Amino acid sequence: GAVVSQHPSRVICKSGTSVKIECRSLDFQATTMFWYRQFPKQSLMLMATSNEGSKATYEQGVEKDKFLINHASLTLSTLTVTSAHPEDSSFYICSARDQSVRGGSFGYTFGSGTRLTVV
Amino acid sequence: RKEVEQDPGPFNVPEGATVAFNCTYSNSASQSFFWYRQDCRKEPKLLMSVYSSGNEDGRFTAQLNRASQYISLLIRDSKLSDSATYLCVVNHDMRFGAGTRLTVKP
Repeated sequence: GAVVSQHPSRVICKSGTSVKIECRSLDFQATTMFWYRQFPKQSLMLMATSNEGSKATYEQGVEKDKFLINHASLTLSTLTVTSAHPEDSSFYICSARDQSVRGGSFGYTFGSGTRLTVV
Repeated sequence: RKEVEQDPGPFNVPEGATVAFNCTYSNSASQSFFWYRQDCRKEPKLLMSVYSSGNEDGRFTAQLNRASQYISLLIRDSKLSDSATYLCVVNHDMRFGAGTRLTVKP
């Protein structure tokens, strides 16, 4: 089935630095990518939706200048957390839509997530 | 009111029990409904879609009540391995409910 490869799985960075998270769709074209954040014991919160070749649409309260999303190709989307601070420590996960899939499988595949710790 | 609401639980049930979760949604025009399962520190995985007429997959039954705007998930004969957080998704904009945590105990 469709696979989304997300890297890195875990990253620790110093406060003030930037971190890039990559999501690659393997064997399918990801026309739409969703980016989520999940704090411990809380729900998945949608941060932004990106369509290939277009600017991402950010959810209310998500700073677009802090969370830079690039979806320049059909197989790669990146999320860059700029000037990270300890409060940005969270589980970040992407989900890609496989346009070729129809029916019950829904066509959305998740990456395995990135656990970011900012110290 | 949130677009999608779930009882966060936790639900603690013994093995073999039947347990049901609900998920209410605010947008009456919603068309697509899904249940996902998320294990601790892992990505969500699709459990089942929810069809208008209701659908069953082994021990799992999903139902849609459009009049009251909620979907439900019923798990029969609970197994230890069913312990997880169950998330509902309404519509293709992929917004998740807060999730309901289930713990099945021996």
